[in-house]
Amino acid sequence: NAGVTQTPKFRVLKTGQSMTLLCAQDMNHEYMYWYRQDPGMGLRLIHYSVGEGTTAKGEVPDGYNVSRLKKQNFLLGLESAAPSQTSVYFCASSLRGFGTEAFFGQGTRLTVV
Amino acid sequence: GENVEQHPSTLSVQEGDSAVIKCTYSDSASNYFPWYKQELGKGPQLIIDIRSNVGEKKDQRIAVTLNKTAKHFSLHITETQPEDSAVYFCAASSYPAGGTSYGKLTFGQGTILTVHP
Repeated sequence: NAGVTQTPKFRVLKTGQSMTLLCAQDMNHEYMYWYRQDPGMGLRLIHYSVGEGTTAKGEVPDGYNVSRLKKQNFLLGLESAAPSQTSVYFCASSLRGFGTEAFFGQGTRLTVV
Repeated sequence: GENVEQHPSTLSVQEGDSAVIKCTYSDSASNYFPWYKQELGKGPQLIIDIRSNVGEKKDQRIAVTLNKTAKHFSLHITETQPEDSAVYFCAASSYPAGGTSYGKLTFGQGTILTVHP
């Protein structure tokens, strides 16, 4: 049972480049989330999904897009990367939403130069 | 929106001592308060949570207390061990009256706990 798996683990982008972060979960969870973690700021919600085919904005959605075409996958896209998007990104999933335990992936460290 | 403040930002203790991390929240409607532990190079993992109908909850060496009147909650770790060294995050969420689900989790800034052998 792998839980939540993120790909890739590390990435360096040049300003203006695009990329997609992939998250996969094998727990049949309905809810999936993307957070970013910055020093001294905790975890901030970027986008989330309450089920296959649905997405919603979180606290800091600007500059990011997401898609949930399959229940087990949640993709985070950066169309034109900016240095301000340098961060550690975490995907998570939960069975029934924000009031239940969230299971996190191991994170993706993204550097935009 | 909800604002969660967490203190201290760093905490250093000797093995066997107790550690206490405190969080305050702004939204009086918040009623779900989880604590996550993040070890180096890993994602956060839930260690304990409490809902507003409970004032205290314990799980072995870990306990959480909630004071709804003062809008603060705390994590208590007794008999600390080196493997307790990690970053700890508190969070808060609310289930609005007439709503159908909990609102978004708001996380505190994190506390780096170091337990010295």
